Amino acid sequence: DSGVTQTPKHLITATGQRVTLRCSPRSGDLSVYWYQQSLDQGLQFLIQYYNGEERAKGNILERFSAQQFPDLHSELNLSSLELGDSALYFCASSGGAASTDTQYFGPGTRLTVL
Amino acid sequence: AQSVTQPDIHITVSEGASLELRCNYSYGATPYLFWYVQSPGQGLQLLLKYFSGDTLVQGIKGFEAEFKRSQSSFNLRKPSVHWSDAAEYFCAVGPPFGNEKLTFGTGTRLTIIP
Repeated sequence: DSGVTQTPKHLITATGQRVTLRCSPRSGDLSVYWYQQSLDQGLQFLIQYYNGEERAKGNILERFSAQQFPDLHSELNLSSLELGDSALYFCASSGGAASTDTQYFGPGTRLTVL
Repeated sequence: AQSVTQPDIHITVSEGASLELRCNYSYGATPYLFWYVQSPGQGLQLLLKYFSGDTLVQGIKGFEAEFKRSQSSFNLRKPSVHWSDAAEYFCAVGPPFGNEKLTFGTGTRLTIIP
């Protein structure tokens, strides 16, 4: 158990809908990262927040947004969903903001868009 | 831009046999290198990482990896695999500074046969 929790575990929704994925980092960790894992794209970094502020952005679509709250949990919002958004979404946390910090991954949220 | 290649999509080894998973990276300077393992239905777990110093890095679960600058490689090895090692293995590269985040390879699926 990494100490990172993600809810829900599974999510099934329809195209055009909006969903919110939630992540609670390990106790004491200030950084939260979001990744998307799909069969065709592999594991892709989406975005990082550090202590409430956006720190780094990867291949995140404009339809997607994230935020980190004062209690350090984070939410990833996916809107106008398309079939291609079906994937496993991972959250990871680390103590600091550096890319060299060990990232601890949550179990993921499997999103299915029908 | 940084990139990482895992040339083997799927490897099958017998229990007790030795293992080597290949990873090649592309980066302008010496990057930070990581190996993660993903068991079925789980998030990623860090096996080991290389930043500098001794090019042979020891990790958890009996794994080790060797950084070879001349070959731009960071291959993962284990002298004797166990059935519980069956999983997907990801190599990742990250810059030693800046906001660019980890880039993951496409993964190598390891199957263990009795």
